[in-house]
Amino acid sequence: GENVEQHPSTLSVQEGDSAVIKCTYSDSASNYFPWYKQELGKRPQLIIDIRSNVGEKKDQRIAVTLNKTAKHFSLHITETQPEDSAVYFCAATGGYQKVTFGTGTKLQVIP
Amino acid sequence: GAVVSQHPSRVICKSGTSVKIECRSLDFQATTMFWYRQFPKQSLMLMATSNEGSKATYEQGVEKDKFLINHASLTLSTLTVTSAHPEDSSFYICSAPREETQYFGPGTRLLVL
Repeated sequence: GENVEQHPSTLSVQEGDSAVIKCTYSDSASNYFPWYKQELGKRPQLIIDIRSNVGEKKDQRIAVTLNKTAKHFSLHITETQPEDSAVYFCAATGGYQKVTFGTGTKLQVIP
Repeated sequence: GAVVSQHPSRVICKSGTSVKIECRSLDFQATTMFWYRQFPKQSLMLMATSNEGSKATYEQGVEKDKFLINHASLTLSTLTVTSAHPEDSSFYICSAPREETQYFGPGTRLLVL
């Protein structure tokens, strides 16, 4: 089955700096890669996604890149704000719409 | 947008009892739903795929006789934790896909005493 690795597990940045979270996946059949933000005790919220036929996607301060050959994808958050503090999960979706989550990154933005 | 509800939001039960959790897609139909379990400070782990009109598909290591799944209609899936034990205490979340996007329920926090 699919295996998704995510790094780092924790990340502290100063407000206004950028944050980068990286993931790798194992199953070349995976074709959709969402990123989720989860606050404590809440459901995951989709913040951005990318499909396997696209290399990069940007939405305001958030961008995602995908390297299909290397099976790497990354989340970039620029101009971080305290409200960006949360746990972020990458995920890979393959056959039968099954989602495999990464291990999570706890992001702390220091005011 | 697509909305998924989950009930109850939290439940406390005694060891040995069974607990039923409902997952509903409110404004779309879902022939497939997914059940996840999340322990504190850990990721979401897929437990099983709920299939409308047929048996659920369980992930490796998940006991199908302990976690009973019924997908009775195109908008409702239920997860029953049978003979719950303290180690079953966790955050249980369902999701329903619409096209490629998964829509998550708000989760159910289960505490087994």
